[in-house]
Amino acid sequence: NAGVMQNPRHLVRRRGQEARLRCSPMKGHSHVYWYRQLPEEGLKFMVYLQKENIIDESGMPKERFSAEFPKEGPSILRIQQVVRGDSAAYFCASSPPRREQYFGPGTRLTVT
Amino acid sequence: GDSVTQMEGPVTLSEEAFLTINCTYTATGYPSLFWYVQYPGEGLQLLLKATKADDKGSNKGFEATYRKETTSFHLEKGSVQVSDSAVYFCALTYNFNKFYFGSGTKLNVKP
Repeated sequence: NAGVMQNPRHLVRRRGQEARLRCSPMKGHSHVYWYRQLPEEGLKFMVYLQKENIIDESGMPKERFSAEFPKEGPSILRIQQVVRGDSAAYFCASSPPRREQYFGPGTRLTVT
Repeated sequence: GDSVTQMEGPVTLSEEAFLTINCTYTATGYPSLFWYVQYPGEGLQLLLKATKADDKGSNKGFEATYRKETTSFHLEKGSVQVSDSAVYFCALTYNFNKFYFGSGTKLNVKP
């Protein structure tokens, strides 16, 4: 039973480019969550999605960031016009309803 | 608001030493509490959990007791191993839809 998969594991972007991060949840999990981890800090909640619905996006920056979880395919976290401050590790988690979350290995984004 | 505070690291111990990593929380209700562990270059793995006051979570020799009176969930292990070296995160959630994480405590265990 494969775990949560994220790709790419490492992503380098220049300032102003777009970053697209992908997350495939565990089989049977209908809930997906995105977190951001800045260096030497804990994880900060960004967004919670179910298929084709954003349930809670209270942690998402108001501009440049968007997330989707389409009916088919992985969940995507998109960051437009990246800036140096976006450099972080982005973790995806998935779960069945009202159960603990299982985390992927993360995507480490570096903005140069 | 809801938050989790962990002791700052790094914590450096010799193999077989006793481990305590402090975690306290601020909550408006009655959350479930968790410890996650992160090994280098990997995502977080659930270590243990407790869903109500006085519950004790345990796994792989680690234990933590949900103390409502002191709003704490300290992680303990009687005898650490080199393989326990990792970053440990305390977290809380009310409905499993949003987790609040502490800043993490790095543990280094020397042989």
